[in-house]
Amino acid sequence: LAKTTQPISMDSYEGQEVNITCSHNNIATNDYITWYQQFPSQGPRFIIQGYKTKVTNEVASLFIPADRKSSTLSLPRVSLSDTAVYYCLVVSNRDDKIIFGKGTRLHILP
Amino acid sequence: SAVISQKPSRDICQRGTSLTIQCQVDSQVTMMFWYRQQPGQSLTLIATANQGSEATYESGFVIDKFPISRPNLTFSTLTVSNMSPEDSSIYLCSVEFGSGASYNEQFFGPGTRLTVL
Repeated sequence: LAKTTQPISMDSYEGQEVNITCSHNNIATNDYITWYQQFPSQGPRFIIQGYKTKVTNEVASLFIPADRKSSTLSLPRVSLSDTAVYYCLVVSNRDDKIIFGKGTRLHILP
Repeated sequence: SAVISQKPSRDICQRGTSLTIQCQVDSQVTMMFWYRQQPGQSLTLIATANQGSEATYESGFVIDKFPISRPNLTFSTLTVSNMSPEDSSIYLCSVEFGSGASYNEQFFGPGTRLTVL
């Protein structure tokens, strides 16, 4: 599974759009880009997954350039409750297990 | 989705003892996993719990230290054996249904917070 690199921490303010970028230079053809969110004292929660271009759901958008070596998770109009750790993962459709990297600790300020 | 419960939610144990953590899911799932998360750190996969056969352990984890059972498609246990303070951590189980729109989407339990004195 491809290794991912993302910022250790980020701060933003309520109402702002937050973009968290992840690099995965060794991504393979069978790999998908997946993001999880973890609040304090809870297990991680799946947010979004994509293969290429753009994916949007009720929580976030995921932007993936044509070379797929990076991706950007976009959280629109964040609130204090979006304070969490966000994990970028590369998962394979040929393997059931997932490997967590260090994640990005997002802190939303009032 | 799935409702996943873990017992106990937390425990304080003496070194040298063992603790068994239970994970119960409200529906049948294809895959179950056990993770460890030390304070302020990311999650580390311990093993995949296989129904009807021995668990598949990741590098650095062995069956003698972390025996795992999975007697059916809704239940699994993880035992932390001969504990030391270095085993103090949060232990999480997760499940995967093996179907749906997303690959490898896992649902996590609330975790068991273990402190070893």
